[in-house]
Amino acid sequence: GAVVSQHPSWVICKSGTSVKIECRSLDFQATTMFWYRQFPKKSLMLMATSNEGSKATYEQGVEKDKFLINHASLTLSTLTVTSAHPEDSSFYICSARDPAGQTGDTQYFGPGTRLTVL
Amino acid sequence: SQQGEEDPQALSIQEGENATMNCSYKTSINNLQWYRQNSGRGLVHLILIRSNEREKHSGRLRVTLDTSKKSSSLLITASRAADTASYFCATTLLVFGQGTRLTINP
Repeated sequence: GAVVSQHPSWVICKSGTSVKIECRSLDFQATTMFWYRQFPKKSLMLMATSNEGSKATYEQGVEKDKFLINHASLTLSTLTVTSAHPEDSSFYICSARDPAGQTGDTQYFGPGTRLTVL
Repeated sequence: SQQGEEDPQALSIQEGENATMNCSYKTSINNLQWYRQNSGRGLVHLILIRSNEREKHSGRLRVTLDTSKKSSSLLITASRAADTASYFCATTLLVFGQGTRLTINP
């Protein structure tokens, strides 16, 4: 199946710094990617939909100035957590749909990035 | 909330037994998907069932869908220790249920 990668897989940063997480579709082009946040032993919460070449669509309650999303190419979306605080510590997961795949509705998920803000 | 709900939240069974997990949702759907997540890892797509399908099989997995009850079930037959993971259902609106943590005891 299609492969989605994330980098870094984990990151530890100091409070107040910004962290960038990359999400790449390795063998297909994804016009739309999705960013999720997951707390321990909880479900995934959709944060935003990243659209190639246009602004991201944020879910209610997600601060767009806090979580900057850039989808500059058909294979790369980035999530930047700005001025990170300990409460931003979480597991961030991206996903992408392969529209040309056997099942166009199937989402392929990245392995996730664990962010710890000290 | 549009969030789906899995039932049970946690399930522990012996290797070789069958495991059944249920998912309920609130909105109309085009399809419903089941995913697996190992601890601290990303999600792996297991199976997609469309709204006009009632049952679907993939290896040891069997998924049913009842759109009138807005519910789906995932059955894993002849469970293995490697099946230990969390299982989530998700609707077309990318809304995930809370998940079922499945533990298979050797």
